[in-house]
Amino acid sequence: DSGVTQTPKHLITATGQRVTLRCSPRSGDLSVYWYQQSLDQGLQFLIQYYNGEERAKGNILERFSAQQFPDLHSELNLSSLELGDSALYFCASSVTVRPYEQYFGPGTRLTVT
Amino acid sequence: DAKTTQPPSMDCAEGRAANLPCNHSTISGNEYVYWYRQIHSQGPQYIIHGLKNNETNEMASLIITEDRKSSTLILPHATLRDTAVYYCIVRDPRGSTLGRLYFGRGTQLTVWP
Repeated sequence: DSGVTQTPKHLITATGQRVTLRCSPRSGDLSVYWYQQSLDQGLQFLIQYYNGEERAKGNILERFSAQQFPDLHSELNLSSLELGDSALYFCASSVTVRPYEQYFGPGTRLTVT
Repeated sequence: DAKTTQPPSMDCAEGRAANLPCNHSTISGNEYVYWYRQIHSQGPQYIIHGLKNNETNEMASLIITEDRKSSTLILPHATLRDTAVYYCIVRDPRGSTLGRLYFGRGTQLTVWP
């Protein structure tokens, strides 16, 4: 158990819908990361927050947005969902903004039908 | 971040040492070598990292060649639970990409009884 929690574990929704994925980092970690893992693209970095501020951005679609709240939990919002958004979404956390180690949560499996 | 090359798959008998190679011939002086693994559909797990000296922790050993162009992750006594995809990542923790991790395709290690 990494100490990072993600909810929900599974999510099934229809195309065009909007969903919110939630992540609670390890106690004491200030940085949160979101990654997407699909069969064809592998594990891809989406975005990083540190202490509530966006610090790094990957190939995150405009339909996707994220935020980190004052209590340090983070949410990833996915809207206008398409079939291709079906994937595993992982959250990770670290103490610093430039870590040696990141700790990953168990992931949320999103299925868009 | 420097590009890495790993064999797509390897196998190992239970109880034997698993030696996973990684080539990173374009590594720069500030870049570290990191290893993560992902057991089927679980969140990636940090294993070890190093700059130029060999490193050992409770999970594995990391051997980096003197020219730093390649490295080997060693699991000294592989168990069935070590079956996973192993990712070698090279990055500068003080670089502009902050905490972003680039995952390639990794090596699928299968440990057989």
